[in-house]
Parts: sequence; C-alpha cells; structure tokens
Amino acid sequence: QKEVEQNSGPLSVPEGAIASLNCTYSDRGSQSFFWYRQYSGKSPELIMFIYSNGDKEDGRFTAQLNKASQYVSLLIRDSQPSDSATYLCAVKGRPSNYGQNFVFGPGTRLSVLP
Amino acid sequence: EAGVAQSPRYKIIEKRQSVAFWCNPISGHATLYWYQQILGQGPKLLIQFQNNGVVDDSQLPKDRFSAERLKGVDSTLKIQPAKLEDSAVYLCASSPIVPGQLATNEKLFFGSGTQLSVL
Repeated sequence: QKEVEQNSGPLSVPEGAIASLNCTYSDRGSQSFFWYRQYSGKSPELIMFIYSNGDKEDGRFTAQLNKASQYVSLLIRDSQPSDSATYLCAVKGRPSNYGQNFVFGPGTRLSVLP
Repeated sequence: EAGVAQSPRYKIIEKRQSVAFWCNPISGHATLYWYQQILGQGPKLLIQFQNNGVVDDSQLPKDRFSAERLKGVDSTLKIQPAKLEDSAVYLCASSPIVPGQLATNEKLFFGSGTQLSVL
C-alpha cells in the first residue's frame, strides 16, 4: 500500500515568516512529487512539482526533494494571510500500463496570522 | 480553455437513496480520474479511465459505486445505495497524459467538485 504522510497541523506562522511543510512517502519507486494548495471549499490547485533531488524555486515557494530519505518539503517565504490553506502533497509512481496514480497525503492546514 | 465541468455542485440525499455525478473533462484529455475527499482528508482515488477503458478501479467499492465513461469523453459516477460514510466531496480530474507515458511534470486539472451529504 503506497502511503503519503503529512502532519495535519494546523501550522500557524506569523505574516512574513517562512512556513515549512513536510511530506514523507513509502514507495521508493515514486518518480514525481507535487504540492497542491486547497482553499476551504475549493478544488486543489497545483503549486509546484519536483522530480530531481535538490531544491526547486518558484517565486516565494521552494520545493525540496530527498529520494534517499523519501522526503519532500515545501517552503513558503514571506508568508501572507492569503497563503492560509491546506497543502496537499501528492506522489506519482513509475509509469506502467496499469495506471500511474497520484497518491495524496492528508494535507497540512496552514494558518498565516496577520 | 474550458476547465473540467462537474455537476451538480451540491447534493443532499437520504441513506439508501441513489445519486449520480457527472463530469466533462477538458477537451482532448485522455485520462479521467474520480476522487473522493472526506472532510479533513486528502483525495482518495476511486477510479481512473483512459479514454473509455478502466485503468484502475481497485479502490472503488463496487458493491455500491459504479462509473462509466462512454465514448471516452464525459463520465458519470453513481452510488446506489448511499451510506452515511459516503458523505464527501467527489472530485473529477483530467490529464492529457496516458498511463505508461513518462511525464514527470503531469498536472491534474480538477473540477469544482460535488459535495454530497447523506442524511
């Protein structure tokens, strides 16, 4: 059973601080990793994806991947109240003819305090 | 570009009743997913279609859930009979990538979801 784990939170950070969200996964064959943001009552929207070890930066967001430790994280710099949402980690396995499902973690609820 | 369309937006039924959800993916997207998201949890895959064929339905409770994607375009998900624990948001997502194709930056396009309450 492929599993993706996240701290459910809530994670509270003051405005302007760095928010750090963590995710671990069980399937060593996982190929790509995604962070989705989900506002309350809305559908998930993709923030970032990463598939190589190391860091990937996009604006205020940095995704970090360590395949040896089976760990992926998302850093949000200069956090804003509008960043308050649930962040879902999603992991995708190696291609196969039997499907290539995204397995989602339970999500971490982030609250950025003004 | 039109997004993934889902209907209805909300549905309230009593247990043991039946309900159906509809999804129209983005034009040209071969792969369609139905996810169930219970409050406070991440989305859980129910079924994955490639065109009009089922790729993965291993987590679909087949005694009460059914889904079809006739003509490889829009799809319906049905629950019959519904149970209290089926209360959730049902999300439809589509992707242009087909199973077996290596695409490390694949993005799922989600619809707005159907919020189901079973009383």
